[in-house]
Amino acid sequence: ETGVTQTPRHLVMGMTNKKSLKCEQHLGHNAMYWYKQSAKKPLELMFVYSLEERVENNSVPSRFSPECPNSSHLFLHLHTLQPEDSALYLCASGSVGVQFFGPGTRLTVL
Amino acid sequence: SQKIEQNSEALNIQEGKTATLTCNYTNYSPAYLQWYRQDPGRGPVFLLLIRENEKEKRKERLKVTFDTTLKQSLFHITASQPADSATYLCALDSHNTDKLIFGTGTRLQVFP
Repeated sequence: ETGVTQTPRHLVMGMTNKKSLKCEQHLGHNAMYWYKQSAKKPLELMFVYSLEERVENNSVPSRFSPECPNSSHLFLHLHTLQPEDSALYLCASGSVGVQFFGPGTRLTVL
Repeated sequence: SQKIEQNSEALNIQEGKTATLTCNYTNYSPAYLQWYRQDPGRGPVFLLLIRENEKEKRKERLKVTFDTTLKQSLFHITASQPADSATYLCALDSHNTDKLIFGTGTRLQVFP
């Protein structure tokens, strides 16, 4: 395993629900990332945290809200999502350019 | 506009042969290029990193080349095995940051 864990692995939610994705890394990295992966599309970078500060927000809708309470944990809070938000959400941590990914959360929005 | 292109069609090869995957990019000047492997329903796994001043890098049965003039990287798997079947992603750094820009990946299928 890569040392990056994500929970839950699968999530089904309605458009009015609020849920959170959790990511934890045990590699001592200072940078953490959220990506969205949809079928036939490249990985889309959503958010970057470096030393617990958000340094990147790639025009992500406000219905996605990240939180990084410390260098080992990263959350993605979800509310009032749309069916097109259904995808694999990947967390990664990084050091000197190389990124280590978690197994992802498969999200389905009904 | 910036673009990373990988062959979107699956590559099917026979076990024991060499698989060669291509990554082309435009309007980038990356400091390095990386290759990742991704299995269905899993996160990508880092394989190799090659810097702009390196022409070739090897790791066991893997070899990567990087031609900054052609703006192309080739990824080779020699003596391929069915266990090598996966999607392979190339990724470039963005403006010397820790941000990576990924290609769509090429699915490799090695059959016995």
